[in-house]
Amino acid sequence: EDQVTQSPEALRLQEGESSSLNCSYTVSGLRGLFWYRQDPGKGPEFLFTLYSAGEEKEKERLKATLTKKESFLHITAPKPEDSATYLCAVQASGVTGANNLFFGTGTRLTVIP
Amino acid sequence: SQTIHQWPATLVQPVGSPLSLECTVEGTSNPNLYWYRQAAGRGLQLLFYSVGIGQISSEVPQNLSASRPQDRQFILSSKKLLLSDSGFYLCAWSKQTNQPQHFGDGTRLSIL
Repeated sequence: EDQVTQSPEALRLQEGESSSLNCSYTVSGLRGLFWYRQDPGKGPEFLFTLYSAGEEKEKERLKATLTKKESFLHITAPKPEDSATYLCAVQASGVTGANNLFFGTGTRLTVIP
Repeated sequence: SQTIHQWPATLVQPVGSPLSLECTVEGTSNPNLYWYRQAAGRGLQLLFYSVGIGQISSEVPQNLSASRPQDRQFILSSKKLLLSDSGFYLCAWSKQTNQPQHFGDGTRLSIL
């Protein structure tokens, strides 16, 4: 069964304290993995797409990496404005149509000044 | 650049009343369009998607329906709302199925 698991569910960091969020997946062939940021009461904001193992993408303090079984979102020297829920979504190649995108339940990140 | 608009932002409706949520996309043509529901502590649940005008695929059996009367307009409807329809509804678009989806700011629907 295709599924996506994110850990931890919640993470509290001091400002400047680097850490990583995990997204592990089991799908019948990976077409792409997407990271989103979601602020309370808002829709998810697209951050990165990763397509193959070994690929990395960076944006400001965020860096996403991908292996054959999981992806990490590394946050370097976070600031309070990085506080949000980070969602991971995986697109499976074994399922046709738009129903081949599976979302995790997210990691709620809080950065304390 | 492309933008997506959803309204209203919040809505409080009595049980048994009808529903109409609207979503429009600007700056692109023939997008794929999606309706999701997000419940607290659960992943986004795909409700409907559309690859073109009048083409709607339903993912979850329910008392909701969707329509796409124009290329960049997507509407979520119900004839009679249930308490279980409460939630956060998100509209999204993508250029193609295998490309990132971009979300609107959602509608918080409360059923009383």
